[in-house]
Amino acid sequence: DAGVIQSPRHEVTEMGQEVTLRCKPISGHDYLFWYRQTMMRGLELLIYFNNNVPIDDSGMPEDRFSAKMPNASFSTLKIQPSEPRDSAVYFCASRVAGEGEQYFGPGTRLTVT
Amino acid sequence: GEDVEQSLFLSVREGDSSVINCTYTDSSSTYLYWYKQEPGAGLQLLTYIFSNMDMKQDQRLTVLLNKKDKHLSLRIADTQTGDSAIYFCAESIEGSQGNLIFGKGTKLSVKP
Repeated sequence: DAGVIQSPRHEVTEMGQEVTLRCKPISGHDYLFWYRQTMMRGLELLIYFNNNVPIDDSGMPEDRFSAKMPNASFSTLKIQPSEPRDSAVYFCASRVAGEGEQYFGPGTRLTVT
Repeated sequence: GEDVEQSLFLSVREGDSSVINCTYTDSSSTYLYWYKQEPGAGLQLLTYIFSNMDMKQDQRLTVLLNKKDKHLSLRIADTQTGDSAIYFCAESIEGSQGNLIFGKGTKLSVKP
Protein backbone atom coordinates (compact mmCIF):
# COMPACT_ATOMS: atom_id res chain seq x y z
CA ASP A 1 0.00 0.00 0.00
CA ALA A 2 1.24 3.53 -0.74
CA GLY A 3 0.30 4.81 2.68
CA VAL A 4 -1.62 8.01 3.34
CA ILE A 5 -1.13 10.41 0.44
CA GLN A 6 -1.31 14.18 0.81
CA SER A 7 -1.06 16.95 -1.73
CA PRO A 8 0.41 19.39 -2.23
CA ARG A 9 3.51 18.82 -0.10
CA HIS A 10 4.21 22.54 0.04
CA GLU A 11 1.87 25.47 -0.49
CA VAL A 12 2.77 29.13 -0.40
CA THR A 13 -0.08 31.58 -0.75
CA GLU A 14 -0.96 35.16 -0.01
CA MET A 15 -3.23 36.23 2.79
CA GLY A 16 -6.87 36.20 1.71
CA GLN A 17 -6.50 33.42 -0.83
CA GLU A 18 -8.35 30.12 -0.65
CA VAL A 19 -6.25 27.05 0.13
CA THR A 20 -7.31 23.44 -0.43
CA LEU A 21 -5.36 20.54 1.05
CA ARG A 22 -6.01 17.00 -0.12
CA CYS A 23 -5.75 13.57 1.45
CA LYS A 24 -6.14 10.00 0.27
CA PRO A 25 -6.35 7.57 3.22
CA ILE A 26 -5.06 4.02 3.17
CA SER A 27 -7.51 1.79 1.34
CA GLY A 28 -9.90 0.05 3.74
CA HIS A 29 -9.37 2.51 6.58
CA ASP A 30 -12.64 3.88 7.87
CA TYR A 31 -11.34 6.67 10.08
CA LEU A 32 -9.67 9.80 8.72
CA PHE A 33 -8.10 12.54 10.85
CA TRP A 34 -6.79 16.03 10.08
CA TYR A 35 -4.12 17.41 12.42
CA ARG A 36 -2.17 20.65 12.46
CA GLN A 37 1.40 21.05 13.74
CA THR A 38 2.86 24.37 14.87
CA MET A 39 5.85 25.25 17.01
CA MET A 40 3.68 26.97 19.58
CA ARG A 41 0.87 24.45 19.96
CA GLY A 42 2.42 21.18 18.78
CA LEU A 43 0.10 18.64 17.14
CA GLU A 44 -3.61 19.33 17.40
CA LEU A 45 -6.59 17.43 16.05
CA LEU A 46 -8.77 19.57 13.79
CA ILE A 47 -11.50 17.15 12.68
CA TYR A 48 -12.09 13.47 12.09
CA PHE A 49 -14.41 11.36 9.95
CA ASN A 50 -15.80 7.86 10.34
CA ASN A 51 -17.15 6.23 7.19
CA ASN A 52 -17.03 9.63 5.46
CA VAL A 53 -19.15 11.31 8.15
CA PRO A 54 -17.64 14.14 10.23
CA ILE A 55 -17.72 13.03 13.87
CA ASP A 56 -15.93 15.76 15.79
CA ASP A 57 -14.94 19.15 14.37
CA SER A 58 -14.43 20.87 17.70
CA GLY A 59 -10.75 21.39 16.89
CA MET A 60 -11.42 23.44 13.77
CA PRO A 61 -10.13 26.91 14.68
CA GLU A 62 -12.89 28.99 13.12
CA ASP A 63 -15.40 29.19 10.31
CA ARG A 64 -12.68 29.89 7.79
CA PHE A 65 -11.80 26.19 8.01
CA SER A 66 -13.95 23.49 6.45
CA ALA A 67 -13.41 19.81 5.68
CA LYS A 68 -15.21 17.33 3.49
CA MET A 69 -14.99 13.65 2.72
CA PRO A 70 -17.09 12.97 -0.39
CA ASN A 71 -16.03 9.32 -0.55
CA ALA A 72 -13.92 6.74 1.26
CA SER A 73 -10.77 7.56 -0.67
CA PHE A 74 -10.65 11.35 -0.60
CA SER A 75 -10.86 14.24 1.84
CA THR A 76 -10.18 17.96 1.60
CA LEU A 77 -9.38 20.63 4.15
CA LYS A 78 -10.16 24.13 2.92
CA ILE A 79 -9.15 27.49 4.39
CA GLN A 80 -10.97 30.52 3.04
CA PRO A 81 -9.73 33.19 3.43
CA SER A 82 -6.26 32.18 4.59
CA GLU A 83 -4.31 34.22 7.16
CA PRO A 84 -0.60 34.24 8.12
CA ARG A 85 -1.41 32.53 11.45
CA ASP A 86 -2.66 29.51 9.49
CA SER A 87 0.94 28.77 8.49
CA ALA A 88 1.66 25.27 9.78
CA VAL A 89 2.14 21.67 8.69
CA TYR A 90 -1.19 19.92 8.15
CA PHE A 91 -1.25 16.15 8.53
CA CYS A 92 -3.84 13.64 7.48
CA ALA A 93 -3.99 10.24 9.20
CA SER A 94 -6.13 7.14 8.86
CA ARG A 95 -6.85 3.91 10.72
CA VAL A 96 -9.14 0.92 10.82
CA ALA A 97 -11.86 0.78 13.45
CA GLY A 98 -10.88 -1.42 16.38
CA GLU A 99 -7.18 -1.45 15.54
CA GLY A 100 -4.45 0.51 17.27
CA GLU A 101 -2.31 1.65 14.36
CA GLN A 102 -2.91 5.16 13.10
CA TYR A 103 -0.83 6.11 10.07
CA PHE A 104 0.11 9.63 9.07
CA GLY A 105 0.69 11.15 5.68
CA PRO A 106 3.83 13.19 4.89
CA GLY A 107 2.03 16.46 5.61
CA THR A 108 1.43 19.68 3.71
CA ARG A 109 3.61 22.62 4.75
CA LEU A 110 1.46 25.73 4.34
CA THR A 111 2.96 29.21 4.32
CA VAL A 112 0.62 32.19 4.17
CA THR A 113 2.37 35.51 3.50
CA GLY B 1 -8.44 17.47 30.64
CA GLU B 2 -6.00 15.23 28.88
CA ASP B 3 -2.35 16.18 28.96
CA VAL B 4 0.79 14.42 27.74
CA GLU B 5 4.18 15.64 28.99
CA GLN B 6 7.65 14.92 27.67
CA SER B 7 11.06 16.42 28.26
CA LEU B 8 12.09 18.52 25.27
CA PHE B 9 15.67 17.34 24.69
CA LEU B 10 17.85 14.26 25.11
CA SER B 11 21.46 13.87 24.01
CA VAL B 12 23.27 10.52 23.92
CA ARG B 13 26.43 9.04 22.42
CA GLU B 14 26.28 6.60 19.53
CA GLY B 15 26.07 3.04 20.82
CA ASP B 16 24.52 4.02 24.16
CA SER B 17 20.91 3.35 25.10
CA SER B 18 18.39 6.20 24.95
CA VAL B 19 15.40 6.40 27.24
CA ILE B 20 12.64 8.85 26.39
CA ASN B 21 10.01 9.37 29.04
CA CYS B 22 6.40 10.48 28.89
CA THR B 23 3.66 11.05 31.44
CA TYR B 24 -0.03 11.30 30.78
CA THR B 25 -3.00 12.26 32.89
CA ASP B 26 -6.01 10.35 31.58
CA SER B 27 -6.41 6.97 33.23
CA SER B 28 -8.83 5.82 30.53
CA SER B 29 -6.15 5.69 27.84
CA THR B 30 -6.62 2.68 25.60
CA TYR B 31 -3.50 2.82 23.44
CA LEU B 32 -0.22 4.66 23.92
CA TYR B 33 2.01 5.43 20.97
CA TRP B 34 5.50 6.46 20.01
CA TYR B 35 5.98 8.32 16.74
CA LYS B 36 9.25 9.48 15.17
CA GLN B 37 9.56 12.64 13.10
CA GLU B 38 12.69 13.42 11.14
CA PRO B 39 13.34 17.01 9.96
CA GLY B 40 10.86 18.08 7.31
CA ALA B 41 9.16 14.69 7.33
CA GLY B 42 5.89 13.22 8.50
CA LEU B 43 5.16 11.13 11.57
CA GLN B 44 6.34 7.55 11.47
CA LEU B 45 4.57 5.11 13.79
CA LEU B 46 7.34 3.34 15.70
CA THR B 47 5.34 1.24 18.11
CA TYR B 48 2.30 1.28 20.33
CA ILE B 49 1.13 -0.54 23.41
CA PHE B 50 -2.31 -1.47 24.59
CA SER B 51 -3.08 -0.15 28.05
CA ASN B 52 -3.44 -3.61 29.59
CA MET B 53 0.17 -4.46 28.74
CA ASP B 54 3.22 -3.34 30.68
CA MET B 55 5.97 -4.03 28.17
CA LYS B 56 6.46 -4.44 24.46
CA GLN B 57 9.72 -5.17 22.65
CA ASP B 58 10.39 -4.75 18.96
CA GLN B 59 14.01 -5.20 17.86
CA ARG B 60 15.96 -2.26 19.37
CA LEU B 61 12.85 -0.66 20.85
CA THR B 62 11.39 -1.45 24.26
CA VAL B 63 8.25 0.25 25.55
CA LEU B 64 7.48 0.18 29.26
CA LEU B 65 4.12 1.24 30.64
CA ASN B 66 3.48 1.94 34.32
CA LYS B 67 -0.25 2.46 34.40
CA LYS B 68 -0.35 3.22 38.11
CA ASP B 69 2.05 6.16 37.69
CA LYS B 70 0.75 6.99 34.16
CA HIS B 71 4.31 6.77 32.85
CA LEU B 72 5.42 5.54 29.46
CA SER B 73 8.99 5.15 28.28
CA LEU B 74 10.75 4.26 25.04
CA ARG B 75 14.17 2.67 25.23
CA ILE B 76 16.31 2.57 22.08
CA ALA B 77 19.20 0.13 22.40
CA ASP B 78 22.50 0.75 20.59
CA THR B 79 21.42 4.24 19.49
CA GLN B 80 22.62 5.24 16.04
CA THR B 81 23.03 8.66 14.39
CA GLY B 82 20.05 7.76 12.20
CA ASP B 83 17.90 7.71 15.34
CA SER B 84 18.32 11.48 15.69
CA ALA B 85 14.79 12.88 15.40
CA ILE B 86 11.87 14.16 17.44
CA TYR B 87 9.96 11.46 19.28
CA PHE B 88 6.31 12.02 20.13
CA CYS B 89 4.35 10.23 22.79
CA ALA B 90 0.58 10.07 22.20
CA GLU B 91 -2.44 8.59 23.89
CA SER B 92 -5.80 7.47 22.62
CA ILE B 93 -8.62 7.94 25.10
CA GLU B 94 -11.38 5.38 25.56
CA GLY B 95 -14.45 6.54 23.68
CA SER B 96 -12.53 9.12 21.64
CA GLN B 97 -12.76 7.05 18.44
CA GLY B 98 -9.01 7.04 18.16
CA ASN B 99 -8.12 10.68 18.01
CA LEU B 100 -4.68 11.11 19.55
CA ILE B 101 -3.44 13.53 22.20
CA PHE B 102 0.23 14.28 21.56
CA GLY B 103 3.06 15.44 23.76
CA LYS B 104 5.27 18.28 22.52
CA GLY B 105 7.99 15.86 21.45
CA THR B 106 11.50 15.01 22.65
CA LYS B 107 14.36 15.95 20.36
CA LEU B 108 16.95 13.16 20.46
CA SER B 109 20.47 14.12 19.40
CA VAL B 110 22.97 11.31 18.88
CA LYS B 111 26.62 12.29 19.02
CA PRO B 112 29.20 10.15 17.18
